[in-house]
Amino acid sequence: KAGVTQTPRYLIKTRGQQVTLSCSPISGHRSVSWYQQTPGQGLQFLFEYFSETQRNKGNFPGRFSGRQFSNSRSEMNVSTLELGDSALYLCASSFNSGARGDTQYFGPGTRLTVL
Amino acid sequence: AQSVTQPDIHITVSEGASLELRCNYSYGATPYLFWYVQSPGQGLQLLLKYFSGDTLVQGIKGFEAEFKRSQSSFNLRKPSVHWSDAAEYFCAVGSTGGGNKLTFGTGTQLKVEL
Repeated sequence: KAGVTQTPRYLIKTRGQQVTLSCSPISGHRSVSWYQQTPGQGLQFLFEYFSETQRNKGNFPGRFSGRQFSNSRSEMNVSTLELGDSALYLCASSFNSGARGDTQYFGPGTRLTVL
Repeated sequence: AQSVTQPDIHITVSEGASLELRCNYSYGATPYLFWYVQSPGQGLQLLLKYFSGDTLVQGIKGFEAEFKRSQSSFNLRKPSVHWSDAAEYFCAVGSTGGGNKLTFGTGTQLKVEL
């Protein structure tokens, strides 16, 4: 079974631009979560989508948004990019949303650099 | 609010030596606990998880972890470290309030000396 795929793997943007990252979960998985990883703040939860609905949201400004499609693929968007948005963005998928025994599987991440 | 503490930022061990990485959690109920490993430029790979039952959990690559409720700890161990184990290790606690939110510790960078 193919793992979680994220595109693109690397991205360079300038301040003020907006960016869209894509995540394809493992086949059959309906939950997709997004995390931001930076050297200063570590791994932080952004949001989770399950069956096209946002189930959980972390403490990030409204510039960060996401959505999930009927095939469970997910996108996250960051508008008005700031230098501090430079990070590795990780996507994780699981079969259920918070069901006991469920495990999240992570993709390789998208490295975003904001200049 | 749930939280995870990994007291050791860096650890260096010799190849063949034993390893223990510490993890302490704060959570009101019985936690879901995970250990993930991240190699440079890679995503996170699950090593093992604890949900309930046996407090000693076996994982992949020869790793194990022991859940100790009295100490709020979930330490990761390996009896004999290989050079390929050099990576960053993250302990995480999962939310039982619905949804798949993981709260991660700050990570422990493991260096293996040959």
